Amino acid sequence: QVTLRESGPALVKPTQTLTLTCTFSGFSLSTSGMCVSWVRQPPGKALEWLALIDWDDDKYYSTSLKTRLTISKDTSKNQVVLTMTNMDPVDTATYYCARNFPVLDMDVWGKGTTVTVSS
Amino acid sequence: EIVLTQSPATLSLSPGERATLSCRASQSVSSYLAWYQQKPGQAPRLLIYDASNRATGIPARFSGSGSGTDFTLTISSLEPEDFAVYYCQQRSNWPKMYTFGQGTKLEIK
Repeated sequence: QVTLRESGPALVKPTQTLTLTCTFSGFSLSTSGMCVSWVRQPPGKALEWLALIDWDDDKYYSTSLKTRLTISKDTSKNQVVLTMTNMDPVDTATYYCARNFPVLDMDVWGKGTTVTVSS
Repeated sequence: EIVLTQSPATLSLSPGERATLSCRASQSVSSYLAWYQQKPGQAPRLLIYDASNRATGIPARFSGSGSGTDFTLTISSLEPEDFAVYYCQQRSNWPKMYTFGQGTKLEIK
């Protein structure tokens, strides 16, 4: 059974760096073609794709946020980490990680973790 | 950057009726278009990938069509559990990038 779980702080202050961890089971990020994405959703708003990392350690980022994002993986721990710098109240959202396999769309999602940016 | 426009923003129908949701891309996305369903408080669920392929476990009443810039998600006969928000999403394969539409809320009439 494939599962993903997001973890990280529920509250961050403006200008701080957010670090989120996606811990997954039921698949390996060393499998050819495997990818994991991060997606966020502000309250009452639409989904926004943030970043993707693939089995070959290639990384892809949202054009509008690429200067603030870093995605990385620890294959031995079955984890993908997303950092976002210079947090702002507009970054308040639920953050999801999702698997992209075998198709490149997001076939299995975590339940999400809510992050509030406030002083 | 490709923009996806979904219509209508809200669709009010009754169980048993047919639902037709539209997604239009600002430029061609070939067939790299997916549809997701999201219920309140839940993560999205992949329904359709590559414009017309149902994801694993998705009922046959859900179907997708289109290519290029115009796409449609059809629910042939609405069940009570189908009332939710639906998002379309396009991807580019190189570099890998994704864009979502703003969503269509399917509500009970």
